[in-house]
Amino acid sequence: DIQLTQSPSFLSASVGDRVTITCRASQGISSYLAWYQQKPGKAPKLLIYAASTLQSGVPSRFSGSGSGTEFTLTISSLQPEDFATYYCQQLNSYPFTFGPGTKVDIK
Amino acid sequence: QVQLVQSGAEVKKPGSSVKVSCKASGGTFSSYAISWVRQAPGQGLEWMGGIIPIFGTANYAQKFQGRVTITTDESTSTAYMELSSLRSEDTAVYYCARVITMVRGVKGFDAFDIWGQGTMVTVSS
Repeated sequence: DIQLTQSPSFLSASVGDRVTITCRASQGISSYLAWYQQKPGKAPKLLIYAASTLQSGVPSRFSGSGSGTEFTLTISSLQPEDFATYYCQQLNSYPFTFGPGTKVDIK
Repeated sequence: QVQLVQSGAEVKKPGSSVKVSCKASGGTFSSYAISWVRQAPGQGLEWMGGIIPIFGTANYAQKFQGRVTITTDESTSTAYMELSSLRSEDTAVYYCARVITMVRGVKGFDAFDIWGQGTMVTVSS
């Protein structure tokens, strides 16, 4: 199985900050990576697929990059509604594993 | 717009089984794969398996092989996930999600674009 790690696991930031989350895969997955946002008590929401393509309706302050084994999710200017947990997921091969998550909290 | 509506919360005894449903409304059901993902309290997301309704073939995470069965009923646009031999560690919220394939150039990229609201399954004696 392909393992995903995320760093940091927790980050504290302020509104307006630029935030970067890294996701690393245990083997190459080309660009078969998606990012999700999850708020407490809610289902995850798709933000980015194919490593860098913004899902329709997602604000442009979110961006993704990377390929192979290293990927990043960047929020260019953190907004109050962005405080949540973020997960990466590989869809290169079964099982479609998720990273352990990065919780973004208010400083 | 497609919505996935899941069945209600369940409380089960250890050793029993649970069957969670996921009904699609507002769009084509059989054209897309459906995956099931669970989340234990305070924990991350865990993919359990998925199915493509039009083909009826399912893939399961090895961790759940032999205990999970994912099926669909195209006549009612409903997917089901049945988990047997329940233990306390199976206490979690179970989500269904639509798997969409988006084409970029000559490649297709999957993603879970629509999710059900989640079903809480509690396993307790």
